[in-house]
Amino acid sequence: NAGVTQTPKFQVLKTGQSMTLQCAQDMNHEYMSWYRQDPGMGLRLIHYSVGAGITDQGEVPNGYNVSRSTTEDFPLRLLSAAPSQTSVYFCASSSPRDRGTGELFFGEGSRLTVL
Amino acid sequence: EDQVTQSPEALRLQEGESSSLNCSYTVSGLRGLFWYRQDPGKGPEFLFTLYSAGEEKEKERLKATLTKKESFLHITAPKPEDSATYLCAVRHNDMRFGAGTRLTVKP
Repeated sequence: NAGVTQTPKFQVLKTGQSMTLQCAQDMNHEYMSWYRQDPGMGLRLIHYSVGAGITDQGEVPNGYNVSRSTTEDFPLRLLSAAPSQTSVYFCASSSPRDRGTGELFFGEGSRLTVL
Repeated sequence: EDQVTQSPEALRLQEGESSSLNCSYTVSGLRGLFWYRQDPGKGPEFLFTLYSAGEEKEKERLKATLTKKESFLHITAPKPEDSATYLCAVRHNDMRFGAGTRLTVKP
């Protein structure tokens, strides 16, 4: 089982460039989310979606856009990259039942460096 | 504002040396406290959910407990393969994660 797949695993950008981090899941999960993980700060929620066509902001949404056109895919767009967006990004998904128990399924992460 | 604080930041143990990790939290209307394990270069992996004070969950050498203000992850007779970062999270509306405790178990 593939689970949650994130691409790319590593990316280096220059300040001002834009890019999209891809996330796909094959578990038919309705809920998908993006987190960033920075040293000493834990995982912080950027955006989330409870189903196709529905997205909402998390704790740190500024500088990021998302869309959810299918159940499987939840891309994260950086509009104009800044050094403060250097981080490791994780995509996570869950079913309504799993979300009730707190079980999120995470991808392996995308490490982004903005110069 | 919901807050989760984990201590210590890092813990080094000898194989077989039992210890505990702490997760203290402030949240209005707790809807679950969760423990995850994260290996280097990987995404977090779910371990436990605790819902109410006094509840306990066990898995192999790990046991999680919950009070009204904190949770403990007890590690009994750890092995090197238990080395990882352990994350605690609480949910009110959405999940709020702590910064984690990096556990190293030496053979």
